[in-house]
This record gives sequence, C-alpha cells and structure tokens, in this order.
Amino acid sequence: GAVVSQHPSWVICKSGTSVKIECRSLDFQATTMFWYRQFPKQSLMLMATSNEGSKATYEQGVEKDKFLINHASLTLSTLTVTSAHPEDSSFYICSARSLAGNEQFFGPGTRLTVL
Amino acid sequence: GQNIDQPTEMTATEGAIVQINCTYQTSGFNGLFWYQQHAGEAPTFLSYNVLDGLEEKGRFSSFLSRSKGYSYLLLKELQMKDSASYLCAVSDSNYQLIWGAGTKLIIKP
Repeated sequence: GAVVSQHPSWVICKSGTSVKIECRSLDFQATTMFWYRQFPKQSLMLMATSNEGSKATYEQGVEKDKFLINHASLTLSTLTVTSAHPEDSSFYICSARSLAGNEQFFGPGTRLTVL
Repeated sequence: GQNIDQPTEMTATEGAIVQINCTYQTSGFNGLFWYQQHAGEAPTFLSYNVLDGLEEKGRFSSFLSRSKGYSYLLLKELQMKDSASYLCAVSDSNYQLIWGAGTKLIIKP
C-alpha cells in the first residue's frame, strides 16, 4: 500500500521560532498533498491543499504567511510554521493523493508543542 | 453548504456488532470514505464506496445509498482495540474530502 512519512514526529520549540515539517510519499507520486491540523478531541481541520509546482490553496482563516507550504516535487511537501506561538501547538497531519486515485493516504502526524 | 453528520459518541460491548451512521449533503459526489483514528495517531483508511451497496472487508463492512445521502460502517465481533474515532468523509465534485466530526466508539468488556 501507499506509504506517507512525516518528519519530525514531534517537536518542541520556543515561541517566536520557525518549525519545518516534511511530508513525503515513499512509493508513489503525490500530485496533491493536504495539510491538516487537529486540536485535542476535535476533528481534522484542513489547512491547505497543495499541488506540485503551484501555490497552495489555503482554507479560510488560515494565514498563508504564517503557514508556508512548499510542494516542490511529486514526493515532498513541507509546512513551515513561522514565528510559532503557544496557540499553534497542535497535531499536524499531511496526506497525499496520486493523480490516478481518489484516496488520501495519511502520514503519521507531527505533534508540535510551542513553549 | 456542505455537511456531514455522524453521531458524536457510541458505546458497545466487546464481541457485539455496532453500526455507525453517516449522512451527507455535498456539492457533487466522488465517493465516501471511512477512516479509523486512534487517539494521538493519524487516520487510517478503512473503506471506500462510490456505488450503492455493501462492501465487506473482514469484520468491517460499509454501505452506501447515494439517493439517500447515507452510509454506515458496520463493525462485527467487536474487540477492545476497535475503540477509536471513526471518520466519515465525502469526496466532492473537486475531489476534495469533506470530513465529518467523527464518532468516538467506546468498547466495554
């Protein structure tokens, strides 16, 4: 089956610093990748959709200058949380979809804690 | 607007059967997905339905009625490890997944 990895799996950082999270599709080419955020006991919230080689489409209420998304290749997308604050602490999950399919394959998630 | 409804929480007994319902109203339909999510982990794929009817996969089955905008996930021979949240998601006309809030399933011995 399709495998998606995320790195790091968890990160603790100081307020004001930037954190980069990588999402890789290991055995297929992901033309579209999705970034989600999930707060404790809440459902997944889609942050943005990125297509390889083009700018990401952000959901309403998500600041594109704060959450920088780069999808430079068919197997890698990165999310950079800039000037992180404690309220950005959350579980960030990426998913990837190939051109041929409709299913999204999820990475294991990255737990971000901002002190 | 687009809307996915599923119960917030359900409780069932180990060894029993439970049915989790999902109703949807979306702009377009390109299939319905069920995902399982254990606490602190990412969702994992369970099933995909795009045509009406029942899809069986081991202990889990998923049913779809497009005319009624309705699906259910049926879990048989419940095990303690089945305690998790179950997420219903519909792929709309743009192949974007519209997510339900999830159903937390609690299994009791």
